[in-house]
Amino acid sequence: TQLLEQSPQFLSIQEGENLTVYCNSSSVFSSLQWYRQEPGEGPVLLVTVVTGGEVKKLKRLTFQFGDARKDSSLHITAAQPGDTGLYLCAGAAFDGKRDDKIIFGKGTRLHILP
Amino acid sequence: EAGVAQSPRYKIIEKRQSVAFWCNPISGHATLYWYQQILGQGPKLLIQFQNNGVVDDSQLPKDRFSAERLKGVDSTLKIQPAKLEDSAVYLCASSLDHELAGGPRETQYFGPGTRLLVL
Repeated sequence: TQLLEQSPQFLSIQEGENLTVYCNSSSVFSSLQWYRQEPGEGPVLLVTVVTGGEVKKLKRLTFQFGDARKDSSLHITAAQPGDTGLYLCAGAAFDGKRDDKIIFGKGTRLHILP
Repeated sequence: EAGVAQSPRYKIIEKRQSVAFWCNPISGHATLYWYQQILGQGPKLLIQFQNNGVVDDSQLPKDRFSAERLKGVDSTLKIQPAKLEDSAVYLCASSLDHELAGGPRETQYFGPGTRLLVL
Protein backbone atom coordinates (compact mmCIF):
# COMPACT_ATOMS: atom_id res chain seq x y z
CA THR A 1 0.00 0.00 0.00
CA GLN A 2 1.38 3.38 -1.00
CA LEU A 3 1.32 5.99 1.74
CA LEU A 4 2.26 9.63 1.90
CA GLU A 5 3.25 10.83 5.35
CA GLN A 6 3.07 14.55 5.98
CA SER A 7 4.76 16.32 8.87
CA PRO A 8 4.13 18.12 11.00
CA GLN A 9 0.40 17.54 11.27
CA PHE A 10 -0.14 20.95 12.82
CA LEU A 11 2.01 24.08 12.84
CA SER A 12 1.28 27.43 14.39
CA ILE A 13 3.86 30.19 13.96
CA GLN A 14 4.13 33.97 14.09
CA GLU A 15 3.84 36.13 11.00
CA GLY A 16 7.26 36.73 9.44
CA GLU A 17 8.79 33.41 10.45
CA ASN A 18 10.01 30.76 8.03
CA LEU A 19 8.77 27.18 7.98
CA THR A 20 9.17 23.88 6.17
CA VAL A 21 6.67 21.05 5.87
CA TYR A 22 7.46 17.60 4.58
CA CYS A 23 5.89 14.86 2.51
CA ASN A 24 7.55 11.44 2.67
CA SER A 25 6.93 8.01 1.24
CA SER A 26 8.68 4.71 0.66
CA SER A 27 7.20 4.64 -2.85
CA VAL A 28 8.51 6.34 -5.97
CA PHE A 29 6.16 8.80 -7.62
CA SER A 30 6.07 9.88 -11.25
CA SER A 31 4.93 13.31 -10.11
CA LEU A 32 3.96 15.03 -6.91
CA GLN A 33 1.59 17.90 -6.33
CA TRP A 34 1.06 20.36 -3.50
CA TYR A 35 -2.39 21.79 -2.78
CA ARG A 36 -3.72 24.32 -0.31
CA GLN A 37 -7.22 23.88 1.08
CA GLU A 38 -9.10 26.55 3.02
CA PRO A 39 -12.12 25.82 5.25
CA GLY A 40 -15.27 25.13 3.26
CA GLU A 41 -13.40 24.97 -0.03
CA GLY A 42 -11.84 22.31 -2.21
CA PRO A 43 -8.06 21.95 -2.58
CA VAL A 44 -6.35 24.34 -4.99
CA LEU A 45 -3.26 23.19 -6.87
CA LEU A 46 -0.09 25.13 -6.04
CA VAL A 47 2.55 23.23 -7.99
CA THR A 48 3.41 19.96 -9.74
CA VAL A 49 6.97 18.58 -9.59
CA VAL A 50 8.07 15.84 -11.92
CA THR A 51 11.86 15.53 -12.02
CA GLY A 52 13.96 14.21 -9.12
CA GLY A 53 15.78 17.11 -7.45
CA GLU A 54 13.47 19.66 -9.06
CA VAL A 55 12.98 22.96 -7.26
CA LYS A 56 10.08 25.28 -8.04
CA LYS A 57 9.35 28.69 -6.57
CA LEU A 58 6.01 30.39 -6.27
CA LYS A 59 6.57 33.82 -4.69
CA ARG A 60 7.52 33.04 -1.07
CA LEU A 61 6.90 29.30 -1.46
CA THR A 62 9.70 26.94 -2.51
CA PHE A 63 8.91 23.34 -3.44
CA GLN A 64 11.50 20.60 -3.77
CA PHE A 65 11.15 17.06 -5.09
CA GLY A 66 13.61 14.56 -3.64
CA ASP A 67 16.30 13.08 -5.89
CA ALA A 68 14.71 9.62 -5.61
CA ARG A 69 11.20 11.04 -6.18
CA LYS A 70 10.01 9.62 -2.85
CA ASP A 71 9.72 12.82 -0.85
CA SER A 72 9.09 16.52 -1.14
CA SER A 73 9.25 19.65 0.95
CA LEU A 74 7.50 22.99 0.98
CA HIS A 75 9.34 25.97 2.45
CA ILE A 76 7.56 29.25 3.17
CA THR A 77 9.61 32.38 3.72
CA ALA A 78 8.25 35.20 5.86
CA ALA A 79 4.88 33.55 6.48
CA GLN A 80 1.79 35.73 6.32
CA PRO A 81 -1.71 35.21 7.77
CA GLY A 82 -2.94 34.57 4.22
CA ASP A 83 -0.81 31.43 4.14
CA THR A 84 -3.06 29.83 6.75
CA GLY A 85 -4.66 26.63 5.50
CA LEU A 86 -4.34 22.90 5.04
CA TYR A 87 -1.39 21.94 2.81
CA LEU A 88 -1.83 18.61 1.05
CA CYS A 89 0.68 16.68 -0.98
CA ALA A 90 -0.52 14.20 -3.58
CA GLY A 91 1.58 11.67 -5.44
CA ALA A 92 0.90 9.95 -8.73
CA ALA A 93 2.32 6.44 -9.05
CA PHE A 94 1.84 3.66 -11.57
CA ASP A 95 -0.01 0.85 -9.81
CA GLY A 96 0.56 -1.79 -12.45
CA LYS A 97 -2.99 -1.68 -13.75
CA ARG A 98 -3.57 1.77 -15.14
CA ASP A 99 -1.67 4.85 -16.07
CA ASP A 100 -1.27 6.33 -12.62
CA LYS A 101 -3.08 6.44 -9.34
CA ILE A 102 -3.09 9.57 -7.23
CA ILE A 103 -2.99 9.40 -3.44
CA PHE A 104 -3.16 12.25 -0.95
CA GLY A 105 -1.39 12.70 2.35
CA LYS A 106 -3.34 13.73 5.46
CA GLY A 107 -2.06 17.27 5.22
CA THR A 108 -0.33 19.83 7.40
CA ARG A 109 -2.64 22.33 9.03
CA LEU A 110 -0.81 25.65 9.12
CA HIS A 111 -1.88 28.65 11.17
CA ILE A 112 -0.03 31.95 10.90
CA LEU A 113 -0.58 34.27 13.82
CA PRO A 114 -0.67 38.01 13.05
CA GLU B 1 -14.63 30.69 -16.37
CA ALA B 2 -17.08 29.03 -13.99
CA GLY B 3 -15.59 26.50 -11.59
CA VAL B 4 -16.81 23.10 -10.52
CA ALA B 5 -20.27 23.37 -8.99
CA GLN B 6 -21.56 21.04 -6.31
CA SER B 7 -24.85 20.78 -4.49
CA PRO B 8 -26.03 20.66 -1.86
CA ARG B 9 -23.29 22.28 0.21
CA TYR B 10 -24.49 20.65 3.42
CA LYS B 11 -26.63 17.63 4.19
CA ILE B 12 -27.68 16.05 7.48
CA ILE B 13 -29.36 12.65 7.41
CA GLU B 14 -29.97 9.75 9.75
CA LYS B 15 -28.20 6.44 9.31
CA ARG B 16 -29.83 4.04 6.87
CA GLN B 17 -31.28 6.95 4.86
CA SER B 18 -30.29 7.67 1.27
CA VAL B 19 -28.54 10.76 -0.05
CA ALA B 20 -27.41 12.05 -3.44
CA PHE B 21 -24.84 14.63 -4.41
CA TRP B 22 -24.60 16.46 -7.71
CA CYS B 23 -21.57 17.80 -9.57
CA ASN B 24 -21.29 20.01 -12.65
CA PRO B 25 -17.68 20.04 -13.89
CA ILE B 26 -15.93 22.80 -15.77
CA SER B 27 -17.20 22.98 -19.35
CA GLY B 28 -15.15 20.84 -21.69
CA HIS B 29 -13.47 18.77 -18.99
CA ALA B 30 -13.50 15.11 -19.95
CA THR B 31 -12.42 13.68 -16.63
CA LEU B 32 -14.47 13.85 -13.44
CA TYR B 33 -13.48 12.61 -9.98
CA TRP B 34 -15.36 12.02 -6.75
CA TYR B 35 -13.35 12.10 -3.53
CA GLN B 36 -14.24 11.45 0.09
CA GLN B 37 -12.44 13.58 2.67
CA ILE B 38 -12.94 12.47 6.26
CA LEU B 39 -12.14 15.06 8.94
CA GLY B 40 -8.42 15.22 9.56
CA GLN B 41 -7.50 13.26 6.44
CA GLY B 42 -6.64 13.93 2.83
CA PRO B 43 -9.08 13.26 0.00
CA LYS B 44 -9.55 9.62 -1.03
CA LEU B 45 -10.51 8.89 -4.61
CA LEU B 46 -13.85 7.08 -4.85
CA ILE B 47 -14.42 7.02 -8.60
CA GLN B 48 -12.97 8.54 -11.75
CA PHE B 49 -14.87 9.00 -15.02
CA GLN B 50 -13.41 9.64 -18.47
CA ASN B 51 -16.37 11.15 -20.36
CA ASN B 52 -19.17 8.77 -19.34
CA GLY B 53 -16.98 5.70 -18.75
CA VAL B 54 -15.53 4.58 -15.42
CA VAL B 55 -11.70 4.60 -15.30
CA ASP B 56 -11.20 3.69 -11.64
CA ASP B 57 -13.73 2.73 -8.98
CA SER B 58 -11.48 0.44 -6.95
CA GLN B 59 -12.06 2.35 -3.70
CA LEU B 60 -15.80 2.84 -4.10
CA PRO B 61 -17.82 0.81 -1.53
CA LYS B 62 -20.09 -0.62 -4.17
CA ASP B 63 -22.51 -2.22 -1.72
CA ARG B 64 -23.78 1.23 -0.77
CA PHE B 65 -22.21 3.82 -3.07
CA SER B 66 -23.05 4.39 -6.72
CA ALA B 67 -22.17 7.07 -9.22
CA GLU B 68 -23.12 7.89 -12.75
CA ARG B 69 -22.22 10.36 -15.46
CA LEU B 70 -24.80 9.54 -18.10
CA LYS B 71 -24.09 12.19 -20.73
CA GLY B 72 -20.43 12.72 -19.94
CA VAL B 73 -21.07 16.03 -18.23
CA ASP B 74 -22.88 16.21 -14.86
CA SER B 75 -22.47 13.46 -12.32
CA THR B 76 -24.33 12.20 -9.27
CA LEU B 77 -22.97 10.23 -6.32
CA LYS B 78 -25.46 8.29 -4.21
CA ILE B 79 -25.18 6.58 -0.85
CA GLN B 80 -27.84 4.04 0.07
CA PRO B 81 -28.07 3.26 2.94
CA ALA B 82 -25.80 5.71 4.75
CA LYS B 83 -23.68 4.72 7.75
CA LEU B 84 -22.23 6.87 10.50
CA GLU B 85 -18.74 6.47 9.05
CA ASP B 86 -19.88 8.07 5.78
CA SER B 87 -19.81 11.48 7.49
CA ALA B 88 -17.30 13.43 5.44
CA VAL B 89 -16.86 16.09 2.78
CA TYR B 90 -17.51 14.76 -0.72
CA LEU B 91 -15.42 16.60 -3.26
CA CYS B 92 -15.89 16.63 -7.00
CA ALA B 93 -13.03 17.57 -9.30
CA SER B 94 -12.57 17.77 -13.05
CA SER B 95 -9.70 17.99 -15.49
CA LEU B 96 -9.35 18.40 -19.24
CA ASP B 97 -8.03 14.84 -19.50
CA HIS B 98 -6.63 12.49 -16.88
CA GLU B 99 -3.15 12.73 -18.26
CA LEU B 100 -1.22 14.28 -21.08
CA ALA B 101 0.62 11.79 -23.23
CA GLY B 102 4.09 11.46 -21.75
CA GLY B 103 3.46 14.32 -19.39
CA PRO B 104 2.40 14.91 -15.80
CA ARG B 105 -1.13 14.53 -14.62
CA GLU B 106 -3.52 17.26 -15.80
CA THR B 107 -4.52 19.84 -13.23
CA GLN B 108 -7.58 18.86 -11.24
CA TYR B 109 -9.98 21.65 -10.31
CA PHE B 110 -11.99 20.95 -7.18
CA GLY B 111 -15.47 22.09 -6.26
CA PRO B 112 -16.30 23.38 -2.77
CA GLY B 113 -17.58 19.99 -1.64
CA THR B 114 -20.70 18.70 0.05
CA ARG B 115 -20.41 18.28 3.81
CA LEU B 116 -22.40 15.22 4.91
CA LEU B 117 -23.29 14.45 8.51
CA VAL B 118 -24.87 11.09 9.26
CA LEU B 119 -26.57 10.89 12.66
